[in-house]
Amino acid sequence: DAGVIQSPRHEVTEMGQEVTLRCKPISGHDYLFWYRQTMMRGLELLIYFNNNVPIDDSGMPEDRFSAKMPNASFSTLKIQPSEPRDSAVYFCASNRAGSNQPQHFGDGTRLSIL
Amino acid sequence: GQNIDQPTEMTATEGAIVQINCTYQTSGFNGLFWYQQHAGEAPTFLSYNVLDGLEEKGRFSSFLSRSKGYSYLLLKELQMKDSASYLCAVRAYTDKLIFGTGTRLQVFP
Repeated sequence: DAGVIQSPRHEVTEMGQEVTLRCKPISGHDYLFWYRQTMMRGLELLIYFNNNVPIDDSGMPEDRFSAKMPNASFSTLKIQPSEPRDSAVYFCASNRAGSNQPQHFGDGTRLSIL
Repeated sequence: GQNIDQPTEMTATEGAIVQINCTYQTSGFNGLFWYQQHAGEAPTFLSYNVLDGLEEKGRFSSFLSRSKGYSYLLLKELQMKDSASYLCAVRAYTDKLIFGTGTRLQVFP
């Protein structure tokens, strides 16, 4: 089975630009999570979806961040406008329903805002 | 509140045994997960515990004590490739995982 697929793997852009990160979860998984990881703050949950519906977005840092899941096989995380402090690795993860189901992570997008 | 504590760094020698501890205080408990993350890579699932006791998977074992809010990951016959960060995560009463900040393990020859 294909794992969680994220694109792009790397993104370098100038501050003020719009950034769009993409994620395709594992087929059949009901949950999708967006995380941000930095050395200082570790792995932070930004938002998660259940059956394409946003459930908890309390981790989204501010209005510059938005996420959508238009269907079961695709999600985007958008930052507009981007700032240097947004530089981090962004992971997408998915899992099946069930308390014993582990989250499976994509390879991440390494984002650098200059 | 939700709190998960792990040591920041540990070192060990190839061939040895190392135990990585994790203590947690969460509002609800539906299981504890351990993940391995090599530098520059994604976290990968290692183990899941929901009942008290030891779960063994090859060289890796994970232990849970719910009454003490405590878990450990035991790595035996350490290899150089085991150098990585190890993340403890708890699933409380919601569907999300609460991650600790991770323990960076360095294995020396």
